[in-house]
Formats: sequence, C-alpha cells, structure tokens
Amino acid sequence: EVQLVQSGAEVKKPGESLRISCKGSGYSFTSYWINWVRQMPGKGLEWMGRIDPSDSYTNYSPSFQGHVTISADKSISTAYLQWSSLRASDTAMYYCARSLTGAAARWGQGTLVTVSS
Amino acid sequence: NFMLTQPHSVSESPGRTVTISCTRSSGSIASNYVQWYQQRPGSSPTTVIYEDNLRHSGVPDRFSGSVDRSSNSASLTISGLKTEDEADYYCQSYDSSIRVFGGGTKLTVL
Repeated sequence: EVQLVQSGAEVKKPGESLRISCKGSGYSFTSYWINWVRQMPGKGLEWMGRIDPSDSYTNYSPSFQGHVTISADKSISTAYLQWSSLRASDTAMYYCARSLTGAAARWGQGTLVTVSS
Repeated sequence: NFMLTQPHSVSESPGRTVTISCTRSSGSIASNYVQWYQQRPGSSPTTVIYEDNLRHSGVPDRFSGSVDRSSNSASLTISGLKTEDEADYYCQSYDSSIRVFGGGTKLTVL
C-alpha cells in the first residue's frame, strides 16, 4: 500500500528553525515528485514547491521561494520541508503529496505547525 | 503565473446535480491537465478527477470532469448528490514547473 507518513505536530516560537518530514513507502520513492502544500487555518490549499527525489532537483512557488527549503534523502525515502526562521504567519497545516498529475497523487496526513510567542 | 478561480460556495439538495467551475486567468485551460480534489473537514485532500476527466480509483461515476475551451474553464459535476459529498473541492493545474490550486469551493448538500 502506498503511504506518505508525515512527522507530528510542532509548536515553535517566532525566529526558531524547524524541519518536518514526509516518509514514502509502498512504492519506488525516486519515481515520483513530492510536493509540499500549505493550508492556513480556514483557508485553501497553496502549492509551495516540489522535489524530484531521484536527484533532489526542486521547483518553488514564487510566494515561498527563499523562505522555505525542500530537500530529500532517497536512502530513507523521506522528503523534508524546512524553515530557518519561523514567523507567526507560518502557522498552518502542511501536507506532502506524491505527484499532482495523473493517477499517482497521494497525500500525507498533514503536519500542523503552530508558531506563537 | 496564472490563477484558477472557483466559486466560494455552492449548495444543492440531495439527489440533484451540481457543477463547480474553475476558470483559468491566462493561458489555455486545455494546455495542461486539470485535477480535482475533495477535502472533508479534518481530513487530507483526496483525488476525485485527474487529467481533466478521469475518475480516480474508487470514485463513483456520479463524479465527472470536463474542460471548455470557449470559457477557458474546467468543471466538476456531481450528480445524484449525497450528504457524504459535502466537502471542499479544489481544482488544480500547472504550467511548466509551477502548480496552482484554485481557491476552493465549499459544497453544501442540504
């Protein structure tokens, strides 16, 4: 069974760093891009960027470029979303999603990030 | 980059048919496939339609997708509405390396 399992909820203070993860199983991890999607409280889905786990090539939405870093470790079938300095406005649910085209799309369960002083 | 515009909300009665639109702001809607996702409260999104009009595995044939070049829009149609269809629905497409979601439509079945 294809699964994307994300790391648990986080509570952080503004200015702190954070890395959340998304572990794929049940398929060849390097065969599909992994996307990261933000959903702020009560709002819609926003595409942040994606990574090709086979070579770690990344694309970012202009809205998120420079504020987050997407990476992957194919040896452990895991993708990451990282912040070096969190802001209160980063409070949101973050989803990883395998492929956003074709029949291969699968979503993780989401990681809730709360940033508050 | 382009935008995808959806109605904020729609409502319809059980057993009826509803159509949710998704209009692309620039570039042709037919140039890149459109996907539709369903998100129930407290849950992750799931794929309903991919590649404009293909139903994802397990999705009932009450759900259908289409693209209209003349209005530069895609549509999700749900027939024989059930209360379990009540959810948020998002269209999504892409252009080169960028993926774009519509703002989402809240479907109320009452």
